[in-house]
Amino acid sequence: EPEVTQTPSHQVTQMGQEVILRCVPISNHLYFYWYRQILGQKVEFLVSFYNNEISEKSEIFDDQFSVERPDGSNFTLKIRSTKLEDSAMYFCAGTLGRDTQYFGPGTRLTVL
Amino acid sequence: AQSVTQPDIHITVSEGASLELRCNYSYGATPYLFWYVQSPGQGLQLLLKYFSGDTLVQGIKGFEAEFKRSQSSFNLRKPSVHWSDAAEYFCAVQTGANNLFFGTGTRLTVIP
Repeated sequence: EPEVTQTPSHQVTQMGQEVILRCVPISNHLYFYWYRQILGQKVEFLVSFYNNEISEKSEIFDDQFSVERPDGSNFTLKIRSTKLEDSAMYFCAGTLGRDTQYFGPGTRLTVL
Repeated sequence: AQSVTQPDIHITVSEGASLELRCNYSYGATPYLFWYVQSPGQGLQLLLKYFSGDTLVQGIKGFEAEFKRSQSSFNLRKPSVHWSDAAEYFCAVQTGANNLFFGTGTRLTVIP
């Protein structure tokens, strides 16, 4: 069964550094999402992406964040200048349409 | 605006006992509803979903959920809990923009 993969599984970075989180969605999916989960809290929507552009973004997704799908396979989330409060688990998800979203295993980001 | 309420932060049940996890939602249109399970350090796994039709839906691992429009609820049930069911359970509603809006989760502890 196809699955969503994410790399790295754990990323440690210094405050102010740039990080790129990578996701490989299921190949026939068309809609892509990033969510985050701060430790002990609920999963929160960050951004959705379709047809090579952002469909919707939450208020969390400020100018420090960007997404792209550079090669039709990978789907990346970039944080330009990380802050301590960016420490969280970041999940990628994908779907064909208005259907079940399939999640990756997540990347744990630790900002020191 | 949409919201999802999971009133029980933590539930403890004995192995073999029945389980019900509560979920109430607020959403202006016909909701698409989901239950996801998250084991420690893992990603989100879909248990079941409701889009339309039969209001009692069956999922994986012996779980079921019942959609009650009049009560705006989508409670998750299992007749006999196994120790491996210990995890965090999230109820979610899918918005018209296809984003998932999650509840705060219910942590399930299973005692022998």
